[in-house]
Amino acid sequence: DAKTTQPTSMDCAEGRAANLPCNHSTISGNEYVYWYRQIHSQGPQYIIHGLKNNETNEMASLIITEDRKSSTLILPHATLRDTAVYYCIVTTEYGNKLVFGAGTILRVKS
Amino acid sequence: GAGVSQTPSNKVTEKGKYVELRCDPISGHTALYWYRQSLGQGPEFLIYFQGTGAADDSGLPNDRFFAVRPEGSVSTLKIQRTERGDSAVYLCASSLNGGTGNIQYFGAGTRLSVL
Repeated sequence: DAKTTQPTSMDCAEGRAANLPCNHSTISGNEYVYWYRQIHSQGPQYIIHGLKNNETNEMASLIITEDRKSSTLILPHATLRDTAVYYCIVTTEYGNKLVFGAGTILRVKS
Repeated sequence: GAGVSQTPSNKVTEKGKYVELRCDPISGHTALYWYRQSLGQGPEFLIYFQGTGAADDSGLPNDRFFAVRPEGSVSTLKIQRTERGDSAVYLCASSLNGGTGNIQYFGAGTRLSVL
């Protein structure tokens, strides 16, 4: 079973920041938070991952709370092409078995 | 560079038939994964290869499902005596070495329809 809880769906206006929350209250010390997204009819795409420090790359930022029980994925300037299902996954750094939940459907609207 | 390639993109078969699904990982990636995704659900892990050997096959649903990776590159997922419930998108992913900082890169999947 997935170790994360995410809202079923969210809407975001084009050009605004999209903030996607994830709860992972049972995360253990050696487990990372990974984010993937899946655009319709495509395979999942890696976005970002982190352990306890906040992380940023060209796609997004990941903010992890100090107690590591929750995190937020931030897409700073959402575009229509960011409409997708976003999956928050908790796994060891080796991440050999990704356990996907239902994810959050993000709809970016013009 | 080329990503993970899966063939065919679509496969329609009849109940009881045998099917093979192929995955070409990113060149140089030693770790390869198979997942299955039913409509409206997230992908579900099936099997993980490190090189030629199956390091974790705990997700294979039953003995009708089998996967091989004989030369540590291309992998084939084989399904015997297909059932209508096997209809799904079968996804393949690869990663550099399955080790520290492992990032899995996915193909577009093979959509299997069992009539």
